[in-house]
Amino acid sequence: AQRVTQPEKLLSVFKGAPVELKCNYSYSGSPELFWYVQYSRQRLQLLLRHISRESIKGFTADLNKGETSFHLKKPFAQEEDSAMYYCALSVNNQGGKLIFGQGTELSVKP
Amino acid sequence: DVKVTQSSRYLVKRTGEKVFLECVQDMDHENMFWYRQDPGLGLRLIYFSYDVKMKEKGDIPEGYSVSREKKERFSLILESASTNQTSMYLCASSLRQGKGYFGPGTRLTVT
Repeated sequence: AQRVTQPEKLLSVFKGAPVELKCNYSYSGSPELFWYVQYSRQRLQLLLRHISRESIKGFTADLNKGETSFHLKKPFAQEEDSAMYYCALSVNNQGGKLIFGQGTELSVKP
Repeated sequence: DVKVTQSSRYLVKRTGEKVFLECVQDMDHENMFWYRQDPGLGLRLIYFSYDVKMKEKGDIPEGYSVSREKKERFSLILESASTNQTSMYLCASSLRQGKGYFGPGTRLTVT
């Protein structure tokens, strides 16, 4: 069965510290993975997708098929990064069904 | 810009009522989704539609049904609302195998 796991419910760091939000997936096909972010009182929005191999707001994520992971990283956290982060998997052999993890709340303290 | 709109931001209903949540997207997306968002549980898929009149159960379909008569509109129906259906409901749309665009959410309270 397809599954996305985010092991940390809450991650608290100080401003300027490195951040790594963990995401592991279970999927037998070729995965397409995303990170979504939800800032306070805003709608969920796409942060980045692995096929784009881009850096958004200083965040990057690398797909590691051997470890079935797609961890989100940022070298220097900013207070405005505080938000809920969700990892998601597109199940391409089921028409693009999107499955989400449990979410990680990132809190960046001044 | 893709627009996904939901009919209500806040809704209060009584136990046993039939509840309709409406979602409309304006970008001709094939896929539409309904999720529940609960603290600590993330986004759980209720139903998924990949075409008009086509639907697929997600992880937690019990107590819910859906309707997609037109491509742009996807409705979530709670046949007989219960207090354990108090939650934030999120609608999303996407192209086939594309990124999802989300609506603002409907916070439903069942008393």
